[in-house]
Formats: sequence, C-alpha cells, structure tokens
Amino acid sequence: DAGVTQSPTHLIKTRGQQVTLRCSPKSGHDTVSWYQQALGQGPQFIFQYYEEEERQRGNFPDRFSGHQFPNYSSELNVNALLLGDSALYLCASSTLDLAGKIQETQYFGPGTRLLVL
Amino acid sequence: SQQGEEDPQALSIQEGENATMNCSYKTSINNLQWYRQNSGRGLVHLILIRSNEREKHSGRLRVTLDTSKKSSSLLITASRAADTASYFCASPHPDTGFQKLVFGTGTRLLVSP
Repeated sequence: DAGVTQSPTHLIKTRGQQVTLRCSPKSGHDTVSWYQQALGQGPQFIFQYYEEEERQRGNFPDRFSGHQFPNYSSELNVNALLLGDSALYLCASSTLDLAGKIQETQYFGPGTRLLVL
Repeated sequence: SQQGEEDPQALSIQEGENATMNCSYKTSINNLQWYRQNSGRGLVHLILIRSNEREKHSGRLRVTLDTSKKSSSLLITASRAADTASYFCASPHPDTGFQKLVFGTGTRLLVSP
C-alpha cells in the first residue's frame, strides 16, 4: 500500500520564476491538501482539492494555485517566486468519514523543500 | 494563524525518561491530533483524540484532552533516541467545515543516549 508521494524532493529556483510541485495521494484517498512549512514553524494550510475542485483555501495569495487530476493526484503551482516562498511544501491526503463530512486523519508525504534564491 | 501552542518549545531528556508536551488551542474542536516530524521531513500521524474522549493510549504514547481548559498533553514513556523529533498538535478548523488542519508551533524533543 503506497503512501503519499511527492516530487521533487528538493528544488532550487530564483526570484520571479515559477515552480510546480507534485503529489500522489495514498491509495484509496480522494482528497489532497497542501501545506507550507517555514523553518521553525508549524505547517500552514494552503488549499484542499476534492473531486478536482478547490474546496477550501488558506490565507495565501493567488500566486499559489493548484490542480487535481481524475486519478486524485495533485499539483501545486507557485508563480513569481519570492524569497519568502522558501519552505517545505507538504502534501496530505485523506478521505471522508462515514458521515461523508468530517475529515479524519491526514497522511502526509515527505515534502518538497523549495529554496528561492 | 496558529490554532495551537505547544509547550515547551524545546525539551531535552535522557533515554528512559518520560517526555511530556502540552498543547493549548483557541477554538472549539471536533478532534485533536498529534504528529511527529523528523528532521524537517514529512509528518507522521501519531494519535487522534475526539472531543468526547478524555484519554487515549497507543503503545508508549498517552494523550489527554481537557476541553474545558482547551488543552491536550502528549506523554511519551520510556523515551528512546529515535523519539528525537518535533511534535505538533493539530485540529480541524471548525469554521471551514473541518476541511483544514491548523497546527501549533511544535515542541522539539531531543532524547540523548
């Protein structure tokens, strides 16, 4: 049973560039969430995708966008990179509980460490 | 914004000792979860405790929840060097239909041999 996978593991970009990060959810999961974790901080929610649509969004600018594919995998795109975008980007997958509403445990991937120079 | 605040921010103990870390949160919760993170890598889910539960055990882990005080604690008994990691509490944010996890700032645990 494959867990959550993310690619690439590390990435170095320069200011103003664009980046795409990828995530494959755990088998059987249909919901993907993205988090940004700055050094020394807890993860911050970026957005969540379900049925190929963005369900919920955190306090991140429009430079951060995403996509979910029919196979439930997801991409995170960041445009016009800033130095402050340097962080560990985590993908988490989950599924709905028996009531179909509340998300229970989320399973995290190993993350992509992005460095913006 | 952070939902939870872990205390202490850092903890250093010897192998075999117990480690206790606390989490205080701000809003009402449906459940509270504890995660471990090794060396800035992915988060590993440790345990989930629901709002109607007061205590839960999993192996060497013991979690308590006091909803009246909006606080939770994680106890790791008989710690090992492999327990060295950062520990985060998190809860689904109620205003978003529980669709996002809101994390605390974490406790960095160092277990020395």
